Amino acid sequence: QSVLTQPPSASGTPGQRVTISCSGSSSNIGSNTVNWYQQLPGTAPKLLIYGNNQRPSGVPDRFSGSKSGTSASLAISGLQSEDEADYYCAAWDDSLSGLVFGGGTKLTVL
Amino acid sequence: QLQLQESGPGLVKPSETLSFTCTVSGGSISSSSYYWGWIRQPPGKGLQWIGSIYYSGSTYYNPSLKSRVTISVDTSKNQFSLKLSSVTAADTAVYYCVGVRGQEVSIDYWGQGTLVTVSS
Repeated sequence: QSVLTQPPSASGTPGQRVTISCSGSSSNIGSNTVNWYQQLPGTAPKLLIYGNNQRPSGVPDRFSGSKSGTSASLAISGLQSEDEADYYCAAWDDSLSGLVFGGGTKLTVL
Repeated sequence: QLQLQESGPGLVKPSETLSFTCTVSGGSISSSSYYWGWIRQPPGKGLQWIGSIYYSGSTYYNPSLKSRVTISVDTSKNQFSLKLSSVTAADTAVYYCVGVRGQEVSIDYWGQGTLVTVSS
């Protein structure tokens, strides 16, 4: 059971906009920034969004993040086949004094 | 651009201690901007934070693993290490060493990951 809650799956067709939610509590998302990671099949995860809504260099602006209260969202616009991957949210948890992850969302591009 | 490379065994027997070393290249492990950690991922499952260490030696451990985990740093070798004792089949996972940017707690750098199987 993950501390942060994500839907196990999401899907969309090429060109569509898809959002993935991440729900937490006051001790993690409510008081710290949220980061998102993309894990392509058979590879290590890669930082996609940091500081709730910042993109590292090289990440397309099709990817965006937002946070409100104890929830966060990742939005992917102009969906492409290469976006098919697992997506994880993460945040520091002050009560646990540790980094917590969501269970991951498998995105399928139909 | 930092690069992280794990080294360690692919097979460990139950009740033994799993040991990994991560070598950091392309920068100093003593950087004040980053701290260093370990993440694992059981086959077909999600990510789990194991623990982190700052170059000064300050550590944070996952409470569920704390009694079995030791993370240490060797600044002279630009390396940090993981020891996980009394392993069971539940510890079978891909283990990643990571570089974490302090302010945002964002994992900017990942090792390639090494699958460790716990089996007799």
